Amino acid sequence: TAGITQAPTSQILAAGRSMTLRCTQDMRHNAMYWYRQDLGLGLRLIHYSNTAGTTGKGEVPDGYSVSRANTDDFPLTLASAVPSQTSVYFCASSRDRGHRGTEAFFGQGTRLTVV
Amino acid sequence: DQQVKQNSPSLSVQEGRISILNCDYTNSMFDYFLWYKKYPAEGPTFLISISSIKDKNEDGRFTVFLNKSAKHLSLHIVPSQPGDSAVYFCAAIEVSRAVQFYFGTGTSLTVIP
Repeated sequence: TAGITQAPTSQILAAGRSMTLRCTQDMRHNAMYWYRQDLGLGLRLIHYSNTAGTTGKGEVPDGYSVSRANTDDFPLTLASAVPSQTSVYFCASSRDRGHRGTEAFFGQGTRLTVV
Repeated sequence: DQQVKQNSPSLSVQEGRISILNCDYTNSMFDYFLWYKKYPAEGPTFLISISSIKDKNEDGRFTVFLNKSAKHLSLHIVPSQPGDSAVYFCAAIEVSRAVQFYFGTGTSLTVIP
């Protein structure tokens, strides 16, 4: 059972370079999310998608973009990386927006270091 | 502004004793609450949840209590086991407007054998 798969698991990226973090889920979940985890700040939402073809901004969207061309994939792109984007990135999905009783399922994370 | 807060960054408990992890929230519109457990180098995994229409939900060794008037929830683990050592995040969502799950900053639990 795959669930949510993220790639790569870790990356060192030079400042100013671009990078796409990949996320794929096989649960046919409608909603998908990108969070970043930083010490003392918990998990903060970057972008979300309630269904294929739609995306929205979370708490900390600046410097990131997403697309949702289909149900399964939700890539996160850093157009020009900066050191403050050093973090652990988690992709998550949930069955449906607004569905009571749902929970979010998380990928294993991508550890990104911008130098 | 942090809408979900976990004021204790760490907690140590002896094996076999009770672990109590606390969480406070500010948004009275939240109506569904969840606890996640996270091991190092892994993604958070869902542990237990509670709807705002309840004040208690139990699943084996894990019980979540909700006090809506105080905007406070807690996770009780009894008896605590060394394998419970992890970071615990509480999360909240307003189901009808669900855009995101709001997470606390996490509490690192260490269960001492």
